[in-house]
Amino acid sequence: AQSVTQPDIHITVSEGASLELRCNYSYGATPYLFWYVQSPGQGLQLLLKYFSGDTLVQGIKGFEAEFKRSQSSFNLRKPSVHWSDAAEYFCAVGASSNYQLIWGAGTKLIIKP
Amino acid sequence: GAVVSQHPSRVICKSGTSVKIECRSLDFQATTMFWYRQFPKQSLMLMATSNEGSKATYEQGVEKDKFLINHASLTLSTLTVTSAHPEDSSFYICSAPDRSSYNSPLHFGNGTRLTVT
Repeated sequence: AQSVTQPDIHITVSEGASLELRCNYSYGATPYLFWYVQSPGQGLQLLLKYFSGDTLVQGIKGFEAEFKRSQSSFNLRKPSVHWSDAAEYFCAVGASSNYQLIWGAGTKLIIKP
Repeated sequence: GAVVSQHPSRVICKSGTSVKIECRSLDFQATTMFWYRQFPKQSLMLMATSNEGSKATYEQGVEKDKFLINHASLTLSTLTVTSAHPEDSSFYICSAPDRSSYNSPLHFGNGTRLTVT
């Protein structure tokens, strides 16, 4: 079955600390992987995506993610978080030819001052 | 850049009434749009795929007569929640791929918070 797992419902980190949000997937075909961020009461903004090529992907707002095929993972990282990074983060997997993405349940990021 | 505009952002209605939500692509044509529903603290659930000029494709378990979708132009799709009930209260989000751009990025509206009293 196709699925996306984000094991952490919420994560709390101190401002300035590093961050890693986990994402594991199960997908029958070559996965196209996405990370989106959602601020309260708003839609989603694409942080980064992986289609092919370099497995370390750079995104907006200083985020990066690494695709590890052997581990079926696509973890999101940021070396130093800012208070404005507090939001809900969603990992998703799909195919480029259609956008019926399979979504993880999301991880809520809380920033401690 | 490409933007998807969704209106209204928030609506409160009485049980039994209908509510229409609009999703517009502002600077690109969208032959396809997607409608999602998001429950509190949960992920997005794809409800239906809206196709310009043809019938929408609904996901399993989504009532077609309850959630009417119309995609009458290349820039507008609407979702009408008919005879709304409190259990329809949720956050509804639309999205559209910009196929004119490299890798056809998917753009999301800011969502509509529907509260049925």
